[in-house]
Amino acid sequence: SQQGEEDPQALSIQEGENATMNCSYKTSINNLQWYRQNSGRGLVHLILIRSNEREKHSGRLRVTLDTSKKSSSLLITASRAADTASYFCAKNYGGATNKLIFGTGTLLAVQP
Amino acid sequence: NAGVTQTPKFRVLKTGQSMTLLCAQDMNHEYMYWYRQDPGMGLRLIHYSVGEGTTAKGEVPDGYNVSRLKKQNFLLGLESAAPSQTSVYFCASRPLSLAGGETQYFGPGTRLLVL
Repeated sequence: SQQGEEDPQALSIQEGENATMNCSYKTSINNLQWYRQNSGRGLVHLILIRSNEREKHSGRLRVTLDTSKKSSSLLITASRAADTASYFCAKNYGGATNKLIFGTGTLLAVQP
Repeated sequence: NAGVTQTPKFRVLKTGQSMTLLCAQDMNHEYMYWYRQDPGMGLRLIHYSVGEGTTAKGEVPDGYNVSRLKKQNFLLGLESAAPSQTSVYFCASRPLSLAGGETQYFGPGTRLLVL
């Protein structure tokens, strides 16, 4: 399976703390994307990191990619209650179809 | 722009019934995808389309059929619903060019319960 793993499955933190979630994969990727899903809603794209990039930032989000370990991390700094959601990594293995392989997600709860 | 919309939002079927889920996008995207989401399983790709008139199978295509007669619409059909098809179904779309981005845009989902 190319799905890989995400951890932790669930994470509970206090507002203001940082949240880190991890994603691993099994074969070489073209890019890796992170999505957020609020309860009962569709997925929203957060950030994309390419295989030749090691780190990207977007606001309070920081994504790293370690191709030697086949893993990525999403860091949310200074978390807010509104960050409460499920976070998914999606692996793009390239090709014309741009299919994404999603992980099982990390459920983040930020306590006010 | 409405983005990606899905119809219906929720549906209850009896085993053996058929139905069609409609996905519509107004962003002129070439690629469209149907996923299902089950607890603890993440999203799994059912079928996808790289353009009007073309469709292809994803990871879990059995029991589903699709059609892309118009560029803006992607239909997912269940010919004979089974309880195992109880799930939340998401449609997504993506533009063709890299300049348009490689990310997918998701609809709000359709919750299907098969009794």
